[in-house]
Amino acid sequence: QSALTQPRSVSGSPGQSVIISCTGTSSDVGGYNYVSWYQNHPGKAPKLMIYDVTKRPSGVPDRFSGSKSGNTASLTISGLQAEDEAEYFCCSYAASYSWVFGGGTELTVL
Amino acid sequence: EVQFVESGGGLVQPGGSLRLSCAASGFTFSNHAMHWVRRVPGKGPMWVSRIYGEGSSGNYADSVKGRFTISRDNAWNTLYLQMNSLRAEDTAVYYCTRDLDYVFDYWGQGTLVTVSS
Repeated sequence: QSALTQPRSVSGSPGQSVIISCTGTSSDVGGYNYVSWYQNHPGKAPKLMIYDVTKRPSGVPDRFSGSKSGNTASLTISGLQAEDEAEYFCCSYAASYSWVFGGGTELTVL
Repeated sequence: EVQFVESGGGLVQPGGSLRLSCAASGFTFSNHAMHWVRRVPGKGPMWVSRIYGEGSSGNYADSVKGRFTISRDNAWNTLYLQMNSLRAEDTAVYYCTRDLDYVFDYWGQGTLVTVSS
């Protein structure tokens, strides 16, 4: 079982919005603003989509946004597109130079 | 373009050893801390180890401490992970990743390690 809890799967139609949650504890998600989100297509290297809870690396569409409330972080994908179909996993710094991850969420674009 | 190519994975018996390598390109390697992250298929990733840019010291997950050693050769832009006393539960795809202030900003495609008799 992963340290951070994510839903196994979410789905949405093109143009809709989906939210993926990532729940931890006060020792990780709730304690630090170092939550990041990654997109993972089969056979490819994971890609950083959101870091420091809300920041987007250059080149990531602004349809992707991040937020946090207490011990739960969220990734929102607006205006869903077919190419967004992938696995998404979250990560948080957890003190003493260690990091914890979520189990991953499969996004299906219907 | 930042790229990583991991190698050295394979099948090893319990108790055996392997050394993974990660060849980096597209950036000034010595300027960045680097990590190893592993993933068992069907489960979430797990952070394994981190090393500073100058290679002075490393940090380890409790489950690998004392068995794994992270190192780097900045002259050859290469990251290593020496894995000893391997266990079945170490079976996973191992990724090297670049550090950007507590974030993993670039990842390799991984190398599979299978520990089995």
